[in-house]
Amino acid sequence: EVQLVESGGGLVQPGGSLRLSCVASGFIFSNYGMNWVRQAPGKGLEWVSYISTSGTTKYYADSVKGRFTISRDNAKNSLYLQMNSLRDEDTAVYYCAPPGGGQGIAVTVSS
Amino acid sequence: QTVVTQEPSLTVSPGGTVTLTCASSTGAVTTGYYPDWFQQKPGQAPRALIYTTSNKYSWTPARFSGSLLGGKAALTLSGVQPEDEADYYCLLYFGGTKGVFGGGTRLTVL
Repeated sequence: EVQLVESGGGLVQPGGSLRLSCVASGFIFSNYGMNWVRQAPGKGLEWVSYISTSGTTKYYADSVKGRFTISRDNAKNSLYLQMNSLRDEDTAVYYCAPPGGGQGIAVTVSS
Repeated sequence: QTVVTQEPSLTVSPGGTVTLTCASSTGAVTTGYYPDWFQQKPGQAPRALIYTTSNKYSWTPARFSGSLLGGKAALTLSGVQPEDEADYYCLLYFGGTKGVFGGGTRLTVL
């Protein structure tokens, strides 16, 4: 059974930092490029970042480039998102995908 | 500004077949856009269904298939089930490096 354990969110002040984690099981994690996507309340999905299977190739949305860093540890079936210089507009629920379907990670940036 | 356009809503009868499409403001969608498809049921997290045009994950039901159709990415559901009622989002990668989601298609099974 495919499962995700997502963690690391919370309430943070503007300018602060958070590190999101996603631990996957039930599929061959190292076979897939991975994404972080986010969804603000009542909105559609927004792509945030992509990392290749080996971790050598990384892409970012313009809105987060230079502030967020994606990484992975295939030995631990884990995906990470280091988020620095957080802004109000980063407030959203963050999901790792594939597979998705986890509970998501709520991030609230507010003073 | 790159825009990805999907049908806002579609309705299909149980057991029927429906095709959802995904268009790019820059022109025809090709495999170089690496189209992905996600399903999001009400109150739930999105779930990846299809990657790079037509590849299925181990958890993707067989009735879902991805393709290119008439210059668009397409997601076809054959033998629709009531549990397929959901929002469906496509994701295109522009220049292979910038992902952009479409606005989503709300599929009603009625």
